[in-house]
Amino acid sequence: DSGVTQTPKHLITATGQRVTLRCSPRSGDLSVYWYQQSLDQGLQFLIQYYNGEERAKGNILERFSAQQFPDLHSELNLSSLELGDSALYFCASSGQGPGNTGELFFGEGSRLTVL
Amino acid sequence: QKEVEQDPGPLSVPEGAIVSLNCTYSNSAFQYFMWYRQYSRKGPELLMYTYSSGNKEDGRFTAQVDKSSKYISLFIRDSQPSDSATYLCAMSPWGYNKLIFGAGTRLAVHP
Repeated sequence: DSGVTQTPKHLITATGQRVTLRCSPRSGDLSVYWYQQSLDQGLQFLIQYYNGEERAKGNILERFSAQQFPDLHSELNLSSLELGDSALYFCASSGQGPGNTGELFFGEGSRLTVL
Repeated sequence: QKEVEQDPGPLSVPEGAIVSLNCTYSNSAFQYFMWYRQYSRKGPELLMYTYSSGNKEDGRFTAQVDKSSKYISLFIRDSQPSDSATYLCAMSPWGYNKLIFGAGTRLAVHP
């Protein structure tokens, strides 16, 4: 158990809908990362937050947004869902600074299926 | 062309075999190289971490980085059925930030 908790584990929804994925980092970790894992694209970095502020952005679509709350949990919001958004979404956390951070600890992921 | 190329396999070997997993990359700025192991329905977990070139050994696992060839390897000695998983290489110019992952190689070790 990595200590990173993600909910829900599975989610099935329809095209055009909006969903929110939630992540609770390891106790004390200030950095949260979101990754998308799909069969054809592998594991892709989406976005990083450090202590409530956005620190780095990867290949995150404009339909997607994220935030990190004062209690350090994070949410990834996916809207106007398309079939191609079906994937595993992982949250990871680390305990060091916003720059050269330490080891990433991954949660078990949220599996999103868009029908 | 992807920044990091990794053969997805699957790779099937008998128990006790030496396994070689590889990745090639195109970005010469990569300085930090990692191998993650991902069991089915689980998140990736860090297996090995190497900075710049050279070898690193940890038990049955050895990671090698050849920056001149832009090629990294993970060797598993005396492979066990419990090693059956997907192995992902990952790299970055900056440490753990914005890691670029390979597609992952699925390994099956059969008794």
